[in-house]
Amino acid sequence: NAGVTQTPKFQVLKTGQSMTLQCAQDMNHEYMSWYRQDPGMGLRLIHYSVGAGITDQGEVPNGYNVSRSTTEDFPLRLLSAAPSQTSVYFCASSYFYRTTGELFFGEGSRLTVL
Amino acid sequence: DAKTTQPNSMESNEEEPVHLPCNHSTISGTDYIHWYRQLPSQGPEYVIHGLTSNVNNRMASLAIAEDRKSSTLILHRATLRDAAVYYCILPGTSYGKLTFGQGTILTVHP
Repeated sequence: NAGVTQTPKFQVLKTGQSMTLQCAQDMNHEYMSWYRQDPGMGLRLIHYSVGAGITDQGEVPNGYNVSRSTTEDFPLRLLSAAPSQTSVYFCASSYFYRTTGELFFGEGSRLTVL
Repeated sequence: DAKTTQPNSMESNEEEPVHLPCNHSTISGTDYIHWYRQLPSQGPEYVIHGLTSNVNNRMASLAIAEDRKSSTLILHRATLRDAAVYYCILPGTSYGKLTFGQGTILTVHP
């Protein structure tokens, strides 16, 4: 199993550009989520999904869109990048109904917006 | 999620035990206690979880106070690779939507 795979690992954007961060998992997990981590800070939840076709907002959803057309994939779209979105983005997945189970994280995607 | 309180930082020497405390005085009877850690430049990784009894796995031990208002993550012999930020989390009913606080920065000295 590859686990949770994120691409790209690094990306530089100009203000106003759009892009998609990809996330894929091969563990058949129902739950997937996106977090962002700013320097010296904890992780903050952006969006999450409890299954294909179901998404919801987390703590900091503004400026981001998500969709979940398959169990495996959960892309994060930046509609019009702003310097405040410079951050490291982590995708995570888990079995939703196993409340004692563990959350698996990807290695992160480092985004810089100029 | 119930609130947790952890020290900002701790230090240890290599091959010595490390006890990382966490206070969670508002914990409910059904809240599990989860610990994650984040190594430098990596995503968080699961360490251990428990409900009432002490728990052991290959990475660490979790000691839970009898009143469940506090817990301690125990690394029996710290290695340099254990230097990380350690997060104590009580997911409650919102498992998956984990709230990561500041955690405890563990420094391990050779």
